[in-house]
Formats: sequence, structure tokens, C-alpha cells
Amino acid sequence: DTAVSQTPKYLVTQMGNDKSIKCEQNLGHDTMYWYKQDSKKFLKIMFSYNNKELIINETVPNRFSPKSPDKAHLNLHINSLELGDSAVYFCASSWGNQPQHFGDGTRLSIL
Amino acid sequence: GENVEQHPSTLSVQEGDSAVIKCTYSDSASNYFPWYKQELGKRPQLIIDIRSNVGEKKDQRIAVTLNKTAKHFSLHITETQPEDSAVYFCAAITGGGADGLTFGKGTHLIIQP
Repeated sequence: DTAVSQTPKYLVTQMGNDKSIKCEQNLGHDTMYWYKQDSKKFLKIMFSYNNKELIINETVPNRFSPKSPDKAHLNLHINSLELGDSAVYFCASSWGNQPQHFGDGTRLSIL
Repeated sequence: GENVEQHPSTLSVQEGDSAVIKCTYSDSASNYFPWYKQELGKRPQLIIDIRSNVGEKKDQRIAVTLNKTAKHFSLHITETQPEDSAVYFCAAITGGGADGLTFGKGTHLIIQP
């Protein structure tokens, strides 16, 4: 069983569209994260969330919003997609400051 | 916020030789330092980690050292093998982890046969 699963694996869409990426973890972790990996392979935290607080990296545009229906899910909504949003988005989870487990990533391509 | 510098960006070694990747961090409050290996098109996978109350940790051919005073930590891979070829990322995190990992920019390790 995949511990952290993301869907879709690939997402190709046009500029200006709104899209969502889903993430689910079955590890019983209390904290989930979204990271962005750009074309230079640089990994950067976007959000971290547990059932108590959402922490947003100040550099993330407000077109990006995380939504958590329950502790096992943290979805990422992106409005008005721009060319610069093209990247691989990784979901991860952990129990507090214990090791983070990553999903397989969603490759987002903006046409 | 935390800033992590990683060197070198590319490292080429002969199979069987050792490889060393170095990182520095800026926030003295950081207390957890994982290393991730990422193969092409795959997710980052944790290979070893160290906490601030430990100076060194070893797992078979992989070891990590931490110098809190100098705010340095390093990854050592001995007896390198072709399957060690990948991009390696160091990272740091502070406190309870709610801020997420701050990653270095990665090192592309190439094992020459």
C-alpha cells in the first residue's frame, strides 16, 4: 500500500485554468505538507498543516490554497494558473518532527 | 527563516571511492537534519537523518556528521556503487516541524564505472 498517494500523477492544462491536486496519507500522521520542485530541482516548502494550524510560506501566491477535509487528506487548489506554476508538486506527511514521507509527485505543465 | 547551503552541486567519483557532500545552515535553533536521495522522476526518499543531540550516525555505507558549533553537517558515502547515482538533498528543520523542511539545492552524484 502506498503510504502517501497523490492524484493525478500528471496534469496538463492551459494558463488561466483552476486545478486541484489531491493527497492522502494512510500513516496516521498529524502533519501534512506541500512542496514545489522547480525545473532546477530546487525543493521549497509551500504549506504545512496539522489539525491545529496552517503555516503558509510567505512567498506562495494566494492563488494557491490548501484544503484539508480530514487529517488524512491535504488537497492543493490552484486558481488562475500561470506559466511559472509549471513544476512537480510533492505532498509529504510526518508525525510532528519525525521523518517526512513523500508522495510520488504531480507533474504540472501549463500550456 | 532558515537557509541551507549545499556543496558541491555536482560530484563525480569513481566506483568504489568515497563521496562527501557538505551543508551549512543558518538557524541555530534547527534540530533535525535529514538527507534525501532522489532518482530521476522519483520522489525524494529519506536515506539517513541526525538530530542536534548527536554528532555522528552511521548506516552501513552511509554516515552523517553534525557540527552544531559551526552549523555544518555532511553526508559520507563509502564504497560507492552505480546505484548511488542520484541527486542528494540535505535539509534542516526547527522545533516541532510545523514550518516544513528547508532544503539545500541538491548535489548530483555521478558514479563513474
